Amino acid sequence: AQSVTQLDSQVPVFEEAPVELRCNYSSSVSVYLFWYVQYPNQGLQLLLKYLSGSTLVESINGFEAEFNKSQTSFHLRKPSVHISDTAEYFCAVSVYNTDKLIFGTGTRLQVFP
Amino acid sequence: ETGVTQSPTHLIKTRGQQVTLRCSSQSGHNTVSWYQQALGQGPQFIFQYYREEENGRGNFPPRFSGLQFPNYSSELNVNALELDDSALYLCASSLGQVKSYEQYFGPGTRLTVT
Repeated sequence: AQSVTQLDSQVPVFEEAPVELRCNYSSSVSVYLFWYVQYPNQGLQLLLKYLSGSTLVESINGFEAEFNKSQTSFHLRKPSVHISDTAEYFCAVSVYNTDKLIFGTGTRLQVFP
Repeated sequence: ETGVTQSPTHLIKTRGQQVTLRCSSQSGHNTVSWYQQALGQGPQFIFQYYREEENGRGNFPPRFSGLQFPNYSSELNVNALELDDSALYLCASSLGQVKSYEQYFGPGTRLTVT
């Protein structure tokens, strides 16, 4: 079975500061890794994904995540956050060759001016 | 290109009643997955439909059932509602046979059971 642990339920940070949202997973088989963002009263939006290849993946709005197989981690980082990044962030895995997603419990990123 | 839509937006039901939630998949997508997101939790996989057949199910009782129609829209039915069924129900569509592994989520239906 697979599981995802997001170690921080809330991360408060000031605008323009760097941030890291932590994600660890557990699986005995190969998985694909995802970060989704959920703005208030909205559905989930895919932020970035790791399927294979380069272990560092980037999104169009400045976020990046690095797949670390030895540490079974997929932490999300941004060097300088904006107020508009305030949202709930979910890390998820899917087992190779399936579409079923297993989510963590989420991290609420709160950016203060 | 039309995104994933869900109806209704909000719903209030009484314990023991039945409810039907609806989802229209993104144009061209043949796979629909349903997730339950309880307050303060991550989404939990309920089941998935691919070309009108159930294609995987999570740890949910049989009173959670679904359908997928020829146009790939889908319904989630929940019988004998319980208080713990109160949650945001999310539908996601994808191209099942094209392994991009990208699922596109709708805005969800907020179900409250009293």
